[in-house]
Amino acid sequence: QKEVEQDPGPLSVPEGAIVSLNCTYSNSAFQYFMWYRQYSRKGPELLMYTYSSGNKEDGRFTAQVDKSSKYISLFIRDSQPSDSATYLCAMSDKAAGNKLTFGGGTRVLVKP
Amino acid sequence: SAVISQKPSRDICQRGTSLTIQCQVDSQVTMMFWYRQQPGQSLTLIATANQGSEATYESGFVIDKFPISRPNLTFSTLTVSNMSPEDSSIYLCSAGREGKANSYNEQFFGPGTRLTVL
Repeated sequence: QKEVEQDPGPLSVPEGAIVSLNCTYSNSAFQYFMWYRQYSRKGPELLMYTYSSGNKEDGRFTAQVDKSSKYISLFIRDSQPSDSATYLCAMSDKAAGNKLTFGGGTRVLVKP
Repeated sequence: SAVISQKPSRDICQRGTSLTIQCQVDSQVTMMFWYRQQPGQSLTLIATANQGSEATYESGFVIDKFPISRPNLTFSTLTVSNMSPEDSSIYLCSAGREGKANSYNEQFFGPGTRLTVL
């Protein structure tokens, strides 16, 4: 079993819809939870991070962490074709020296 | 933030040869890492590049296969040695700055080096 599980998709939605992404994990020591966006042939770029449990909102993006369930989510409101990319969740345990453990990534396609 | 560049951006190599990938950061950083992203898969950490000392490798990766150098706070190299087709992958460099204890330290990623081994 992988430490971090993420549905690979692809997830296809019409423009303007809400995109819902999630990851589950097994390591209860993870403290920081990140979402990265990766366009084709580019490196990942950080969208949001959350410390411990709770919600965080940034524009059209909302990240949620439920440590009791070991489950994290990312919601994208009013999705745009430019949101079409692969979304990777990542987690870290400060005690492990800032190393990131990634999920497998979900490919998202927003159709005009 | 930090801007990271990698050279080469892509290469096609013959089995048994070696390739050295360079990673340059536009400002001093404390942390540098090397990841591998195999086709259609996520990122797997190869090693932490330590300035002035040997790199710290993750399980399944060894120094003889992936020697790493980090001569200063802005530059690192990863060599993929004695390559086989199984080494075909994207290799990514990341960097970040150590902050306060128990605070989040963002990692920035380079564009990656796409390697194909024939």
